[in-house]
Amino acid sequence: GESVGLHLPTLSVQEGDNSIINCAYSNSASDYFIWYKQESGKGPQFIIDIRSNMDKRQGQRVTVLLNKTVKHLSLQIAATQPGDSAVYFCAEKVGGTSYGKLTFGQGTILTVHP
Amino acid sequence: GAGVSQTPSNKVTEKGKYVELRCDPISGHTALYWYRQSLGQGPEFLIYFQGTGAADDSGLPNDRFFAVRPEGSVSTLKIQRTERGDSAVYLCASSSQTSGGAGDEQFFGPGTRLTVL
Repeated sequence: GESVGLHLPTLSVQEGDNSIINCAYSNSASDYFIWYKQESGKGPQFIIDIRSNMDKRQGQRVTVLLNKTVKHLSLQIAATQPGDSAVYFCAEKVGGTSYGKLTFGQGTILTVHP
Repeated sequence: GAGVSQTPSNKVTEKGKYVELRCDPISGHTALYWYRQSLGQGPEFLIYFQGTGAADDSGLPNDRFFAVRPEGSVSTLKIQRTERGDSAVYLCASSSQTSGGAGDEQFFGPGTRLTVL
C-alpha cells in the first residue's frame, strides 16, 4: 500500500463515547482480517478478528464490521476509555487462517480525553 | 505465561556493521514471524517460519537480510552491511498454528529498535 509516513489519520473522542475506526483493505483475495492495538513502545496487541464468511463479529466492547463489496473494515469501540488511546491497525491475509503473512494498513491514532 | 521476548530492546550501530536480533517465542508456538516497522507506518512482513524452516521469506528486502530458527524455537534475524535505511523497529511474533481457529492469532513481542548511524 501507499505510505502515509507520519500523517496517520487521527480520531479524538471523549471518554464514554463510542469510537469507529475505518480501514480500506487492498486485496480482494484477502479472507481473514484482524484489528491490532499498539501502544507507544509496545508491539501490536490482538483485539479481534473476522473471516470473510462473516460480516460482523462482536467481542468485549468491540465490534468488527466487514464489507467485502467495497473492501472496507471497521472497528467499533463502545464506551471508549482513556486506556483505549493507542494506534489501531487493521491487517489482512489470504488463506482464511490466522497464520502466515499479515499485510497491515497505515494505522489510526485514537486519543480519548477524560 | 511469558509472552514473546526480543533482545536487545535497542541497538545502535554504524553503517556497514553486522547486527543480530534475537526473538524468543511463546513456548510451544510452532510459527514465528519477523516484521519491520518504520516510524508512522504499520508493520511490514519479512519472513515466517514453520518449525525450523522458512515457509515464506518473500518480505526480506535483499540478500543482506537473513533469519534462522535452527531448533524450531529461538530465532535470529541477521543484517549484514547495515544501511541507514535499515533503521526501524523489528518486531517478532509467534502463533500456535493448530487449526487456524480461535487462539491462533499472532502474538507480538515489544520489538528491537535498530538505529544505524
